[in-house]
Amino acid sequence: DVKVTQSSRYLVKRTGEKVFLECVQDMDHENMFWYRQDPGLGLRLIYFSYDVKMKEKGDIPEGYSVSREKKERFSLILESASTNQTSMYLCASSLFSVRGKVLSTDTQYFGPGTRLTVL
Amino acid sequence: GQQVMQIPQYQHVQEGEDFTTYCNSSTTLSNIQWYKQRPGGHPVFLIQLVKSGEVKKQKRLTFQFGEAKKNSSLHITATQTTDVGTYFCAGQLKFSGGYNKLIFGAGTRLAVHP
Repeated sequence: DVKVTQSSRYLVKRTGEKVFLECVQDMDHENMFWYRQDPGLGLRLIYFSYDVKMKEKGDIPEGYSVSREKKERFSLILESASTNQTSMYLCASSLFSVRGKVLSTDTQYFGPGTRLTVL
Repeated sequence: GQQVMQIPQYQHVQEGEDFTTYCNSSTTLSNIQWYKQRPGGHPVFLIQLVKSGEVKKQKRLTFQFGEAKKNSSLHITATQTTDVGTYFCAGQLKFSGGYNKLIFGAGTRLAVHP
């Protein structure tokens, strides 16, 4: 079974703090993703990575950065937390596939999520 | 940007009634995936549809992919309380090159009353 773990289930931080969210997967997946989930908005992609040290911006990267130094670990960094970053953060991983010239993602396996509150 | 629209946002049914959620994209999808998130849980993969007009069944769940590969539906027959949760569709957009991302719909939250 694929296992994706996240460092914290609940986190409370203050405005302006630097926040690190860690994600680890144990299935040797190439792709890793960070989403945030807000009511009525579904899952929105922040950043993704398809290889070690590679990163690509998703739909809402502003205010976030990421780090992928090892294949199994993908970190999300909030450089200076703000109240509008209060949300549920979900990490996911998937296998890497190439269809023609296009890189694709297959089934995504999600971690349990981190509910972050910024005061 | 590209969007995948999902309706309804919320559905409340009596146990035993049927339920359907719909997904629509303005652009052609390479494939579509469906996920279920139980209350307090994380999204879990249910199924992937790839072919135009494809229909797949999982027990009481029926998944369809439209002929134009722009829409999809999930139908649950005779709902049970174990069906409670939020159902997400996620479309993979068809790009000519680069990276295919999954675009998630906003989800349909299903409540089932016994």
